[in-house]
Amino acid sequence: EAQVTQNPRYLITVTGKKLTVTCSQNMNHEYMSWYRQDPGLGLRQIYYSMNVEVTDKGDVPEGYKVSRKEKRNFPLILESPSPNQTSLYFCASSYYRGDQPQHFGDGTRLSIL
Amino acid sequence: QQQVKQSPQSLIVQKGGISIINCAYENTAFDYFPWYQQFPGKGPALLIAIRPDVSEKKEGRFTISFNKSAKQFSLHIMDSQPGDSATYFCAASRRGGNQFYFGTGTSLTVIP
Repeated sequence: EAQVTQNPRYLITVTGKKLTVTCSQNMNHEYMSWYRQDPGLGLRQIYYSMNVEVTDKGDVPEGYKVSRKEKRNFPLILESPSPNQTSLYFCASSYYRGDQPQHFGDGTRLSIL
Repeated sequence: QQQVKQSPQSLIVQKGGISIINCAYENTAFDYFPWYQQFPGKGPALLIAIRPDVSEKKEGRFTISFNKSAKQFSLHIMDSQPGDSATYFCAASRRGGNQFYFGTGTSLTVIP
C-alpha cells in the first residue's frame, strides 16, 4: 500500500529537549515536504526536498532542520524546541516536484511545554 | 502574509445542497491550484486540481471554477452529502515550483 508514515503520532516534551519526527514514503517519490497546521493559519510549508541531499526552506523554517540522506526518508529535527512550535505536523511526498499531487502522512501532534 | 486567501472559515449546508468555497491569490506566477480534503485525524488528500489554461474542471460532484483575471478560484460541491463533512483547503504553487501555499481552510458540515 502506498503511504507516507510519520512517527511518533503524538509527543509531549519540554522546552529545549531535542527531538526528531521521522517521515518515510514507499512510493519512490523524489519530492518531500514538511508542513505545520495551526488553527486559523492553515498549513504552512517548513522545508522541502527535491531529491537526496537537496533541501530548501519553505515559508516558516525558523527553528527547524531537515536532512535527506536517503530517498525514502525525510526527518524533521527540532534542536531546541520552544512552546511556539506546538503544532500538528504533516509530511508529504510527490513524484518529482511540488506542483503535483502530494500524498500526506496522518500527522504528528507535538506539544512543547 | 497569506499568499492564498480562503473563505468562508466555516460552512453549514443542507444535504443535497451546493457547497461553495472561495479562494483568491495575488501572485500571478501561480499556475497550479489544487483543493485538498481533510478528515479529522487524517492528513489532507488531493480532491481536484486545475491549471489556468481552463476555466472549469469537473470530477463527479466536485467542480473547480477558475477566474484568471480576478485571480480567484472556487470549489463547488454539488448534491452535498454528510460524508463530505470535512475541512477543505485550497492551495497554489508555480509551475515546476516546489514551494506550496495553502489557504486557511474551510470546515464544511453537511446536515442530513
